Amino acid sequence: DTGVSQDPRHKITKRGQNVTFRCDPISEHNRLYWYRQTLGQGPEFLTYFQNEAQLEKSRLLSDRFSAERPKGSFSTLEIQRTEQGDSAMYLCASRGDRENTEAFFGQGTRLTVV
Amino acid sequence: DQQVKQNSPSLSVQEGRISILNCDYTNSMFDYFLWYKKYPAEGPTFLISISSIKDKNEDGRFTVFLNKSAKHLSLHIVPSQPGDSAVYFCAALEYGNKLVFGAGTILRVKS
Repeated sequence: DTGVSQDPRHKITKRGQNVTFRCDPISEHNRLYWYRQTLGQGPEFLTYFQNEAQLEKSRLLSDRFSAERPKGSFSTLEIQRTEQGDSAMYLCASRGDRENTEAFFGQGTRLTVV
Repeated sequence: DQQVKQNSPSLSVQEGRISILNCDYTNSMFDYFLWYKKYPAEGPTFLISISSIKDKNEDGRFTVFLNKSAKHLSLHIVPSQPGDSAVYFCAALEYGNKLVFGAGTILRVKS
């Protein structure tokens, strides 16, 4: 296991379509995060899982966004009825059990809504 | 409400000199701070961290300083190299769970 893996790396979709992204965390990490980043901004928190439980969701996450981590391993982030404002880099990160540890990020999925 | 602030959008430094990147935070409950480096079209890469019980942590050319009373931390890179050119994000750990990021500082190291 070499790190956090995200798929796809790039996605171009038409407005109104649904998209789904996948994240495979580092295998022994029980904590998984989704962030969104737009140009000129830092990563913006979307949601957080500990094992399969979704413990926190940002107010920014509208009801068009849903995330799952069904078996506490990989996670998916789905955006329904995409809008141009959803265009961004979607980043996944994972962390281990210890309290003060760094999060490891994947390469991200670049979403472009046309 | 931006809890982690990086007030300098960009910094330009000559190769071999010191780069100092600054970060301020507002939440006194933050107890762990991290710096990440990011190249275009890639995810952030962890660089160095510091716990709130320390005021300095050093790793090779990188040193992070924490001033809790001022709610300020800084990253020093000495000597700066052209390969250090990237976006640097300051982050703080909230309640042991969520990382909160600043907006980033673009560092350009000129050769």
